[in-house]
Amino acid sequence: QQPVQSPQAVILREGEDAVINCSSSKALYSVHWYRQKHGEAPVFLMILLKGGEQMRHEKISASFNEKKQQSSLYLTASQLSYSGTYFCGTYNDYKLSFGAGTTVTVRA
Amino acid sequence: NAGVTQTPKFQVLKTGQSMTLQCAQDMNHEYMSWYRQDPGMGLRLIHYSVGAGITDQGEVPNGYNVSRSTTEDFPLRLLSAAPSQTSVYFCASRPDGLAGTDTQYFGPGTRLTVL
Repeated sequence: QQPVQSPQAVILREGEDAVINCSSSKALYSVHWYRQKHGEAPVFLMILLKGGEQMRHEKISASFNEKKQQSSLYLTASQLSYSGTYFCGTYNDYKLSFGAGTTVTVRA
Repeated sequence: NAGVTQTPKFQVLKTGQSMTLQCAQDMNHEYMSWYRQDPGMGLRLIHYSVGAGITDQGEVPNGYNVSRSTTEDFPLRLLSAAPSQTSVYFCASRPDGLAGTDTQYFGPGTRLTVL
């Protein structure tokens, strides 16, 4: 079953912050975050494991709340290069299922 | 390493035709999978394989077949193409599908149009 992401889209000015949420109805073992630029393949950002630490990729960080079965991705001091569609993936029974994605547009 | 490669990049089919999308990886990964991407739907898992000779269904398997005779290759077959199968198809691989802790690498995608 696919996780649910929110919001569907967000528009930022350079330097602003944003949060993307990912939730699942199933107990989560790990949460994976990917970013996709237009016309390209998704690219790995980070994995969060059950009981693990908050992870970081450049100024993008993420947390994992096992009790709420939810993960959040934090875009801090956004840059133009952060534009793209962000997907969370949840792992269960050998399968990595992705949410519908959150489109982030960063403007100068 | 070439990583994950897919052929063709673009394909146009007529309804009812069959074809095979090719996927290969040179990283000796055990786990391979196929996704389709449609606007507003994200990436949906079609089929996956945890090793040579072992395949299983994902979230949207109908109309597609797979086999895994070698570690490197994981072709996706469309038996009788339908307009609803118009989509972008991504192949992906990761070292070990069992632990859920590995990075997954995606191929560049195949854009398929069924008329």
